Amino acid sequence: DAKTTQPPSMDCAEGRAANLPCNHSTISGNEYVYWYRQIHSQGPQYIIHGLKNNETNEMASLIITEDRKSSTLILPHATLRDTAVYYCIVRVLPNFGNEKLTFGTGTRLTIIP
Amino acid sequence: NAGVTQTPKFRILKIGQSMTLQCAQDMNHNYMYWYRQDPGMGLKLIYYSVGAGITDKGEVPNGYNVSRSTTEYFPLRLELAAPSQTSVYFCASSLSEGNQPQHFGDGTRLSIL
Repeated sequence: DAKTTQPPSMDCAEGRAANLPCNHSTISGNEYVYWYRQIHSQGPQYIIHGLKNNETNEMASLIITEDRKSSTLILPHATLRDTAVYYCIVRVLPNFGNEKLTFGTGTRLTIIP
Repeated sequence: NAGVTQTPKFRILKIGQSMTLQCAQDMNHNYMYWYRQDPGMGLKLIYYSVGAGITDKGEVPNGYNVSRSTTEYFPLRLELAAPSQTSVYFCASSLSEGNQPQHFGDGTRLSIL
């Protein structure tokens, strides 16, 4: 799996959009970009994933650059409950069931009231 | 819909004791995983299973054993507890098709003294 690089911490004002960057310059063509978050030592929570097109769901948007070497997770209207550690993970397609996730240290996002 | 349920939530063991961490999922997921998370670090894969009767080692399997006799349950066994196994343990599950995300339990906090 490709390695990812994220800033260790970020702050964002409540109500504003939080933009979390991730670099994955060694990503290969069959690797997806996944985002998870972990709130206060709870189990990680899936947010969104994508291959090469931008994706949006009820939680967030994922913008992947055309060369796929980086991506940005956007939380459109951050609330205090979005304070968490956010993990960007690159993962190969299933290979006979080997769907392991490789977690880095993530970005600690703090929403400021 | 309970999702992934882990028991116990907390446990203190003495060095050399053994215990089993329980994990159950009610989503009929084929794939199940055990991760550990040390303070300030990302998650590391211990063992995973792609179906009943099939298990395989992850990144840090030493000191642990698993079994998967049914789809629903995936227990993790510590035979001779060591201080280095003090950690938070997370169980996860996912569907086997395509790029399905993993769903995590709330974890078991284990201290070895």
